[in-house]
Amino acid sequence: QKEVEQNSGPLSVPEGAIASLNCTYSDRGSQSFFWYRQYSGKSPELIMFIYSNGDKEDGRFTAQLNKASQYVSLLIRDSQPSDSATYLCAVMSDGQNFVFGPGTRLSVLP
Amino acid sequence: DTEVTQTPKHLVMGMTNKKSLKCEQHMGHRAMYWYKQKAKKPPELMFVYSYEKLSINESVPSRFSPECPNSSLLNLHLHALQPEDSALYLCASSQESLSGGTDTQYFGPGTRLTVL
Repeated sequence: QKEVEQNSGPLSVPEGAIASLNCTYSDRGSQSFFWYRQYSGKSPELIMFIYSNGDKEDGRFTAQLNKASQYVSLLIRDSQPSDSATYLCAVMSDGQNFVFGPGTRLSVLP
Repeated sequence: DTEVTQTPKHLVMGMTNKKSLKCEQHMGHRAMYWYKQKAKKPPELMFVYSYEKLSINESVPSRFSPECPNSSLLNLHLHALQPEDSALYLCASSQESLSGGTDTQYFGPGTRLTVL
C-alpha cells in the first residue's frame, strides 16, 4: 500500500522563524509532489508542486525533494500568524494514485 | 483563473432523502475528482473522471453515484446515506487525468454535508 507520512504536529514556531514541514513516501515510483495549505473549515489550497530533485522557491516558501531518500519538505521563512493552518503533503505515484499525508498542523505564535 | 465552484455550501439531509452535489470548472480541465474529508483527516479520493468517463472508483458504496454530464460539470448523487457519511465533500479538477499526466489539482470550496 502506498503511504505518505508527515511529521506529527502540532508544530509551533514564533513569528518570524522558519517552519520546517516534512513528508516521506513509500512508493519509489512517485512522480509528483504537492504541498497544500488548509485552514480550518476550508478546502485545500495549493502552495507548491515539485517534480525534480533539489529546491524550488516561491516567495517565502521553499520545497525540497530528495527522491533517493523518498523525502520532500516545505520550509516557510519569516512565518506569520496567517500561516497557521494544516499543511498537507500529496504524492502522485504511477500516474494512478494521488495520496495525501495525514497533515501537519502549524501554529505561528505572535 | 483557477476557480472550481461547488453548490450547495451546506446540506442537511435525512437518511431517506435524495440530493445532489454539484461542481463546475471553466478552466478547460479534463479531469475532475470527488473527495470526502472527515474532521482532522486528509481528503480521501472517491471518484475520478477523465474526459467525462469514470476512470477511478475507490470502492465507494453505491449510495454515492457520480455523474459527469460534460467536461465542465460534475455531480454527486446521494441516496439513503448514513450519519457516518457526514463530511466535507470536495471537488477538484486538473488538466489531465491521474493516468495521463501529472498536473496539479485545484479544489473547490467544498460542501459540508450533515446526514441526520
